[in-house]
Amino acid sequence: LAKTTQPISMDSYEGQEVNITCSHNNIATNDYITWYQQFPSQGPRFIIQGYKTKVTNEVASLFIPADRKSSTLSLPRVSLSDTAVYYCLVGDMYSGGGADGLTFGKGTHLIIQP
Amino acid sequence: GAGVSQSPRYKVAKRGQDVALRCDPISGHVSLFWYQQALGQGPEFLTYFQNEAQLDKSGLPSDRFFAERPEGSVSTLKIQRTQQEDSAVYLCASSLGTGWAGELFFGEGSRLTVL
Repeated sequence: LAKTTQPISMDSYEGQEVNITCSHNNIATNDYITWYQQFPSQGPRFIIQGYKTKVTNEVASLFIPADRKSSTLSLPRVSLSDTAVYYCLVGDMYSGGGADGLTFGKGTHLIIQP
Repeated sequence: GAGVSQSPRYKVAKRGQDVALRCDPISGHVSLFWYQQALGQGPEFLTYFQNEAQLDKSGLPSDRFFAERPEGSVSTLKIQRTQQEDSAVYLCASSLGTGWAGELFFGEGSRLTVL
C-alpha cells in the first residue's frame, strides 16, 4: 500500500494561492509530515515539516488536521518559478532509515501559468 | 563545502562495465542517504549511513550495488556489471542528525546512462 496519496498534477496562475493535499490514512504516532520541492535536473529541496496543527515558514504553510490523516501544503502567491514537483513524505524521522520512512512517491507536478 | 557535492554529474557506461559514484556530504553531517530516481518517478531509497555504519541497505536492488562510507564522510556507490535498467539519476543526501530528522540536503545527482 502506498503510504501517501497526492494528485499527480495541478495547474494554477501567477499570484494565486496553491494548496496541495496529501492523504496519509495510515500515519503512525511517531510519524512526521515533510514536503520537498524538486526542479528538473536538481535534487529535492526541503520546504516544510510538521507534526500537527499548523506550521509556517518564509515560503509555505503546512496545515495538519487533528486526525493527521491528511495534510495540505499551502503556497501563497505563486510565481512561474514555483513550477516543480512537490513530494509529501510521512515517516518516523528518528527511525534511522528504512525504505518505508523515506518514500517519496510520484509527487504532484505543479504547473504555474502566467 | 557549502552543499552536497556529487561526481560525476554525468556518466555513460557500456553494459557490463563497473561504475563508481561519489558523494561529498556537508561537513559534519552524520547521516547520508542514497536514492535512485528513474525518469518521471520520485526518488527511491537505496541505503542509509549513520557515520561510517551502513544501517539500512534494504533498497539496494541487487547484489551488484554496493555502497560504502569508510571514514564517515565521503561515500561511494558502486554498481558492478551495469545493466540498462540501472540507467537513472543517483541522488545523495545528508542530514545533520540521525535518521532523517529535520532537513535532508540533496546533491544535484549523478545521471547514469547504460548503453
